[in-house]
Amino acid sequence: GAVVSQHPSRVICKSGTSVKIECRSLDFQATTMFWYRQFPKQSLMLMATSNEGSKATYEQGVEKDKFLINHASLTLSTLTVTSAHPEDSSFYICSARRQYTGELFFGEGSRLTVL
Amino acid sequence: SQQGEEDPQALSIQEGENATMNCSYKTSINNLQWYRQNSGRGLVHLILIRSNEREKHSGRLRVTLDTSKKSSSLLITASRAADTASYFCAPALDSGGYQKVTFGTGTKLQVIP
Repeated sequence: GAVVSQHPSRVICKSGTSVKIECRSLDFQATTMFWYRQFPKQSLMLMATSNEGSKATYEQGVEKDKFLINHASLTLSTLTVTSAHPEDSSFYICSARRQYTGELFFGEGSRLTVL
Repeated sequence: SQQGEEDPQALSIQEGENATMNCSYKTSINNLQWYRQNSGRGLVHLILIRSNEREKHSGRLRVTLDTSKKSSSLLITASRAADTASYFCAPALDSGGYQKVTFGTGTKLQVIP
């Protein structure tokens, strides 16, 4: 299957700092990338959808100034959690939709802990 | 957006038995994908079935799709302890643009050795 690389897999930071998470499709071009957040023992909650070269579309209740998404190319999207607080601690997962086939592939997730 | 709802929420079986989980959705689709998630990991793409297909196989996996009932099923045959995971379906309508993909609560499968 296609590979989506997500980095870092774990990050611990102090409250008030910003954290950037990268999502790369390694062997295919992704027209659309999605960012999800997952709380323990719960399903994935969609945060935002981004198309290459355009602004991300955020889900209701997700602060766009808090969670900055950049989709600079057909293979890279980044999520920056700005001025992180302990309540931002969570498991963040990206996915990339393969161009032409529509298959959706996921990264391994990034566990963020804000102290 | 499209969202699938998986059923049952939890399933516990003995190793070697078959596991069947179902997915229902509400609107038109042109494909549906199944995923597996091990605890604390990302989702692994298992199989994609298109709306013009009724059944698809991949190894021990068999997926069916009934667009008239807006439902799909995932069958895992001869289950193994390593199949223990949560399973999610993702119905989608790719209409040339993009459409967001949301997930239900999944089916939590436990395979007892």
